[in-house]
Amino acid sequence: AQKVTQAQTEISVVEKEDVTLDCVYETRDTTYYLFWYKQPPSGELVFLIRRNSFDEQNEISGRYSWNFQKSTSSFNFTITASQVVDSAVYFCALRGNFGNEKLTFGTGTRLTIIP
Amino acid sequence: ETGVTQTPRHLVMGMTNKKSLKCEQHLGHNAMYWYKQSAKKPLELMFVYNFKEQTENNSVPSRFSPECPNSSHLFLHLHTLQPEDSALYLCASSQEPRQGGVYEQYFGPGTRLTVT
Repeated sequence: AQKVTQAQTEISVVEKEDVTLDCVYETRDTTYYLFWYKQPPSGELVFLIRRNSFDEQNEISGRYSWNFQKSTSSFNFTITASQVVDSAVYFCALRGNFGNEKLTFGTGTRLTIIP
Repeated sequence: ETGVTQTPRHLVMGMTNKKSLKCEQHLGHNAMYWYKQSAKKPLELMFVYNFKEQTENNSVPSRFSPECPNSSHLFLHLHTLQPEDSALYLCASSQEPRQGGVYEQYFGPGTRLTVT
């Protein structure tokens, strides 16, 4: 069975601070895919990143960066110099390959950036 | 229109009503999904249509009935719902390769459903 754990239910930081959202996953698949989505108050889930299990390189996109560590089954997300527009619920998700294709979501982390 | 659109955005219905949710994707994808998002619960996958065939029905009660007439449109027909069915219903689409690999799902804005 697949499982995604986002232990941080809510986080509040002051604008311009850095913040890291944790994601820990469980899967028996040797090939799998990890995702992060952002859900602003409007409700729509916005795709942020997809990472394959065989690619452990960290990724940076502007103020966003992701740290994928297979050894600890973690895929953490860091926002540098946070802004009020970053306030949203962030979801980590996992999908297997061939026969285990259901996208399993964590319960989400509500991030509030305080101006 | 671009991306994934959903109508209506808000719906209030009584338990004896029949209504339908509509989803349309403008991305040329071949797979579409219905998810239910309730407060303080993970997103629940309800139905998957891959190449217009239903490939997953995640133990959803029969009062929810999906329909996928083509690869761009997806409906969720609702009848005799219960108050606990009140939630945000999200539609998504993706391009599923026929042989291996995975691509991300793109979501619509959702329909906020309230059952009274």
